[in-house]
Amino acid sequence: GAVVSQHPSWVICKSGTSVKIECRSLDFQATTMFWYRQFPKQSLMLMATSNEGSKATYEQGVEKDKFLINHASLTLSTLTVTSAHPEDSSFYICSASPGMSSYNEQFFGPGTRLTVL
Amino acid sequence: AQKITQTQPGMFVQEKEAVTLDCTYDTSDPSYGLFWYKQPSSGEMIFLIYQGSYDQQNATEGRYSLNFQKARKSANLVISASQLGDSAMYFCAMFSRNTGFQKLVFGTGTRLLVSP
Repeated sequence: GAVVSQHPSWVICKSGTSVKIECRSLDFQATTMFWYRQFPKQSLMLMATSNEGSKATYEQGVEKDKFLINHASLTLSTLTVTSAHPEDSSFYICSASPGMSSYNEQFFGPGTRLTVL
Repeated sequence: AQKITQTQPGMFVQEKEAVTLDCTYDTSDPSYGLFWYKQPSSGEMIFLIYQGSYDQQNATEGRYSLNFQKARKSANLVISASQLGDSAMYFCAMFSRNTGFQKLVFGTGTRLLVSP
C-alpha cells in the first residue's frame, strides 16, 4: 500500500514552453502533497505544500507564478513549470502522506526528470 | 529553524559488514521526528526508519537501526550485514510540531558503496 506515482518520468522541452507534472496517490487519499526539487548530487529542497481545495503554500524563494500547483482532488496534484528555462532543469519529486500511520510518514513518487533545452 | 547535517559525503563498506551513517540535527522544538530515506540511482525515495523525539527506545527495522542520542542531537543510521543492493544515497530528514509534523527538511546525503 501507500503508492505514489508521477507522470511523466522524464520530459525534455524547449525553452519557453510549459510542462505539467502529475502526482497521484494510488491507494490512499492525501489532503496534503509536497513538491520537492533536487539538483544533481544535491539534497531535496521543499518547493511547496499542496493542499486539496485550497492554494498551495510556497517556500521562500520559490516563484508562485512560475511553479503553478493545483491539487484538484484527494489523489491528484499537478505541478506546472511555466515558461521553462534551462535553469529549471532538475529532478522533481512529489510526496504524500496517508495521515493514518503513527508517525505521518511521507511516501514519495518516483520523480520526474525535467530537461529544458 | 530546523537543520540536518550529514558530514559524510561518501562511505565505503564491504559486503556483510556493518556501517554507520552519521546524522546530526538542530531544532528548538521539543517534539520532532527523524527519518532516514534511501535513494537508489533510479531516483525514488525509499522510507527506511523513523524515530520520534519522545521514543524511549531506538528504532529498528530489519537490518536498519537508528542510534538516537537525544542529548547529542544525533540520529545515526546503522546498517548491519551490508548487501550490494544497499549501494545508494542515504538522506536523513526531520520534521517538527512547529511545521505540523509535515514539512521535511533533508540533509545533504551520504553516498554508500558496498563492495563484494
